[in-house]
Amino acid sequence: AQTVTQSQPEMSVQEAETVTLSCTYDTSESDYYLFWYKQPPSRQMILVIRQEAYKQQNATENRFSVNFQKAAKSFSLKISDSQLGDAAMYFCAYRSGNAGGTSYGKLTFGQGTILTVHP
Amino acid sequence: KAGVTQTPRYLIKTRGQQVTLSCSPISGHRSVSWYQQTPGQGLQFLFEYFSETQRNKGNFPGRFSGRQFSNSRSEMNVSTLELGDSALYLCASSLRTGAVFEQYFGPGTRLTVT
Repeated sequence: AQTVTQSQPEMSVQEAETVTLSCTYDTSESDYYLFWYKQPPSRQMILVIRQEAYKQQNATENRFSVNFQKAAKSFSLKISDSQLGDAAMYFCAYRSGNAGGTSYGKLTFGQGTILTVHP
Repeated sequence: KAGVTQTPRYLIKTRGQQVTLSCSPISGHRSVSWYQQTPGQGLQFLFEYFSETQRNKGNFPGRFSGRQFSNSRSEMNVSTLELGDSALYLCASSLRTGAVFEQYFGPGTRLTVT
């Protein structure tokens, strides 16, 4: 079974600064997808960024980028120029790309990291 | 395009009762997944439905069940409620099943069991 670990329960950052959230995962599969989701106080889960395992290039979405280290099974999220609206719980998630497997279709989440942004 | 909607948003039930939660996916989406979120266990996968068929099921007791209708709307049912079932229940829809298809989440249903 796949597992996702976020070792930082809480992180804080000053507005306009950069912060990196850590995530490691364990899998024996070669075809999978990794995601970072944001959950603000409203509880609505919002997709921040996704990474396909077969792609060597790190994904980037505006101020959000990832550092995907496949061999190390590490998938960190970097938020640049942090804004007050970035304050939320951030979840790292794994999804199998292997059709028919018992884990197919489901997202496996880490425990989350609460990000506080100070003005 | 309207997002994923879940009803009701809040629900209070008593131990032993049963409850039905509803999820309406984004128009055109045929896959619906359900997740349970609690402070202790975090986010856990319940099940996924695609074209009215359950494609995958998480490690939950048989008290948790679901179904999907021909219009892709989905319901989940929890029978014989226990205190530990108190949680935020999230549903997510995607165009089809498969990791390549992004999941869009609804706002959740907050269930409190007393």
